[in-house]
Amino acid sequence: GAVVSQHPSRVICKSGTSVKIECRSLDFQATTMFWYRQFPKQSLMLMATSNEGSKATYEQGVEKDKFLINHASLTLSTLTVTSAHPEDSSFYICSAKGDTQYFGPGTRLTVL
Amino acid sequence: QQPVQSPQAVILREGEDAVINCSSSKALYSVHWYRQKHGEAPVFLMILLKGGEQKGHDKISASFNEKKQQSSLYLTASQLSYSGTYFCGTEEGSGGSNYKLTFGKGTLLTVNP
Repeated sequence: GAVVSQHPSRVICKSGTSVKIECRSLDFQATTMFWYRQFPKQSLMLMATSNEGSKATYEQGVEKDKFLINHASLTLSTLTVTSAHPEDSSFYICSAKGDTQYFGPGTRLTVL
Repeated sequence: QQPVQSPQAVILREGEDAVINCSSSKALYSVHWYRQKHGEAPVFLMILLKGGEQKGHDKISASFNEKKQQSSLYLTASQLSYSGTYFCGTEEGSGGSNYKLTFGKGTLLTVNP
């Protein structure tokens, strides 16, 4: 199956700092990538759809100025959580679209 | 529109069978099934496209009834490794450029020895 990597796997930061998460499709090109947020024991909530070379499409209620998404190449999308606060602590998962969606291993963000 | 999964949780003994259902009030183009273990990312199991097909590999199979907008995941002779949370992701409409999956709340499957 297709492989998607995500980095870092875990990050702890202080309130007010920005955190960048990278998502890479390793063995296929993905014009579309997705960013999800997942709270404990809950479903995957789509935050935004990232299209290579164009602006991301954000879901209702997701602040685009807080969650900056860049999809600069066919294999890389980044999510930057700006001025992070404790309520941003969560499990962030990216996926890349091939014949289905292939998920990265996720990033556990803890904001102190 | 978030699909509805049932049951919310199920506990099995090794070797028993289980069925997980996923239904939508919207016309669906495809249904995707994933399994997620605690602290890990979802792993793709299979995709079912409009057309009412059934798919399977090993002891896990699934069906898609497009008239009822329902899909079912069948796990037979369950193994300990089947434990995890199962999510269905649904793609509405006729497929195409506005693709996105909407995931159900998940079904927690626990297989005990």
